[in-house]
Amino acid sequence: KQEVTQIPAALSVPEGENLVLNCSFTDSAIYNLQWFRQDPGKGLTSLLLIQSSQREQTSGRLNASLDKSSGRSTLYIAASQPGDSATYLCAVRRVTSGTYKYIFGTGTRLKVLA
Amino acid sequence: NAGVMQNPRHLVRRRGQEARLRCSPMKGHSHVYWYRQLPEEGLKFMVYLQKENIIDESGMPKERFSAEFPKEGPSILRIQQVVRGDSAAYFCASSPLSDSFMGYTFGSGTRLTVV
Repeated sequence: KQEVTQIPAALSVPEGENLVLNCSFTDSAIYNLQWFRQDPGKGLTSLLLIQSSQREQTSGRLNASLDKSSGRSTLYIAASQPGDSATYLCAVRRVTSGTYKYIFGTGTRLKVLA
Repeated sequence: NAGVMQNPRHLVRRRGQEARLRCSPMKGHSHVYWYRQLPEEGLKFMVYLQKENIIDESGMPKERFSAEFPKEGPSILRIQQVVRGDSAAYFCASSPLSDSFMGYTFGSGTRLTVV
């Protein structure tokens, strides 16, 4: 059974710091991995999608890496800003019960202090 | 090009009433997925539908919950005789193909409160 764990559960940092959010998964047979951002009371915004054959993806100040063999992904946020405060969710997609679906981690709650 | 539309955004129901949550996928997307997020928990898969077919309902509670995606109109998640434990955020996602490399696009969710 695929399990997705995100560490740390919560993080508070001063503005300007570079930070790393971690995601680990127990089954390396994944189709892809997606990082999402969720603001309080809001929906999910896709940040980065990494296919199983890729090692990393970048968008602006965000960089996500994927190491399938070790079951890990990291989301790197450079020069953090108060507007980055949100919950960050990692989700792995794999075939279970014959269909593709995402398994989500419980998220990392990030607070960037001005 | 509107994204995934869910309505209502907020829904309050008394115990024993029925809740109907609607999801209109993105244009060109024929695959719909429903997820539930309980307070302080991660998103859990509920059901995967294509037009007029339920493909995978392995995450649906055995009783009171049902889902449909008719040929015309939005996908509906229906919860009968709601209980306080049904209070959660319900998210819908869509994709153009079951194995789309593009991943999912999520709606903003419906927050159900049972009083």
